[in-house]
Amino acid sequence: AAGVIQSPRHLIKEKRETATLKCYPIPRHDTVYWYQQGPGQDPQFLISFYEKMQSDKGSIPDRFSAQQFSDYHSELNMSSLELGDSALYFCASSSRQGRLTGELFFGEGSRLTVL
Amino acid sequence: AQSVTQLDSQVPVFEEAPVELRCNYSSSVSVYLFWYVQYPNQGLQLLLKYLSGSTLVKGINGFEAEFNKSQTSFHLRKPSVHISDTAEYFCAVSLYNFNKFYFGSGTKLNVKP
Repeated sequence: AAGVIQSPRHLIKEKRETATLKCYPIPRHDTVYWYQQGPGQDPQFLISFYEKMQSDKGSIPDRFSAQQFSDYHSELNMSSLELGDSALYFCASSSRQGRLTGELFFGEGSRLTVL
Repeated sequence: AQSVTQLDSQVPVFEEAPVELRCNYSSSVSVYLFWYVQYPNQGLQLLLKYLSGSTLVKGINGFEAEFNKSQTSFHLRKPSVHISDTAEYFCAVSLYNFNKFYFGSGTKLNVKP
């Protein structure tokens, strides 16, 4: 079965550069969530989208922005990167039914390293 | 505000022994409870969840968890672990709309032969 696809899987950037992470949800899933997992830490909720509209916001820095496109894929844009942004960024998706039962499917993550 | 506490950061156990991973939560409103497993370099995989009904929930790979409202706990158990269960386990809570999840700090289960 198709899963959540994230790209790139690994990304190395320098401080103050920008980075864009992409998430392709499972087909027919209309909801996307972004989480950030720092080294040795638990995943922290960043932002979520439902039907291309932002549905909730967590601890997402102002330097970050995200959107969901008409094909339901989502992009997380990070600017003025800092060393502390180094983390594993997870995307998860759910369907309309999944939203009612908390059924989230996570991708394998994009590992961002800021040097 | 919601929070999740996993008291044990690491749990070593021998193969075929039983294991319990502890999870306590704090919330001023009703929440739903989840356990996720994360294998090295992989995403989070749902093990089981409690939404309503029976407080004993069975999940994949032989895991089960019991919701205890009075103790605000949702401990994960397996009667006999395998080497392949070695992974990190995260307890999580979500509000009614599932818009976001709050995760615990994780428990690394290390199954030894």
